[in-house]
Amino acid sequence: DIQMTQSPSSLSASVGDRVTITCRASQSISSYLNWYQQKPGKAPKLLIYAASSLQSGVPSRFSGSGSGTDFTLTISSLQPEDFATYYCQQSFNTPFTFGPGTTVDIK
Amino acid sequence: EVQLLESGGDLVQPGGSLRLSCAASGLTFSNYAMSWVRQAPGKGLEWVSAISGSGGSTYYADSVKGRFTISRDNSKSTLYLQMNSLRAEDTAVYYCAKDPLFEAAAGPDWFDPWGQGTAVIVSS
Repeated sequence: DIQMTQSPSSLSASVGDRVTITCRASQSISSYLNWYQQKPGKAPKLLIYAASSLQSGVPSRFSGSGSGTDFTLTISSLQPEDFATYYCQQSFNTPFTFGPGTTVDIK
Repeated sequence: EVQLLESGGDLVQPGGSLRLSCAASGLTFSNYAMSWVRQAPGKGLEWVSAISGSGGSTYYADSVKGRFTISRDNSKSTLYLQMNSLRAEDTAVYYCAKDPLFEAAAGPDWFDPWGQGTAVIVSS
């Protein structure tokens, strides 16, 4: 199975900050990497698919990059509604696997 | 707009069984693979199972293989998860989610949208 790791596991940031979250796969997954945002008590929401494609309706301050084993999610200017937990997920093969999550909270 | 609505979650004893349902609307259901993803209390996301648009191909996480069965009724636009031999570690919120492909993992794949989830508690 492909193992996914994320760093940091949590971070504190202020509104307006630039935030970067890293995701690493245990083997090459090409660009088969997705990012989700989850708020407490809510279902996850797709932000980025295929490493760098912005899902329709998602603000352009979110961006994704990377290929192979190393990927990043960047929030260019953190907004109050962005405080949440972020998960990466590989779809290179089954079993699909998620990273452990990165919680972004208010500094 | 695609909508997914899960149901069937409940409190069940260890060793018991439960069937979850996910009713879909706003899409041609048979065109898309579907998945179940779960989240234990306070924990991260775990993919559980996927099924192709036709129902002819199914995929499972090792943690549920042999105990859970995914199926679908395309005439009713409904996805199911039959869960047998339930264990305490199966306690979670179970989400259904739509794949963009007919066959899971046949290309770039992702989960969107997700249902609101249904809670399964396995406890005596």
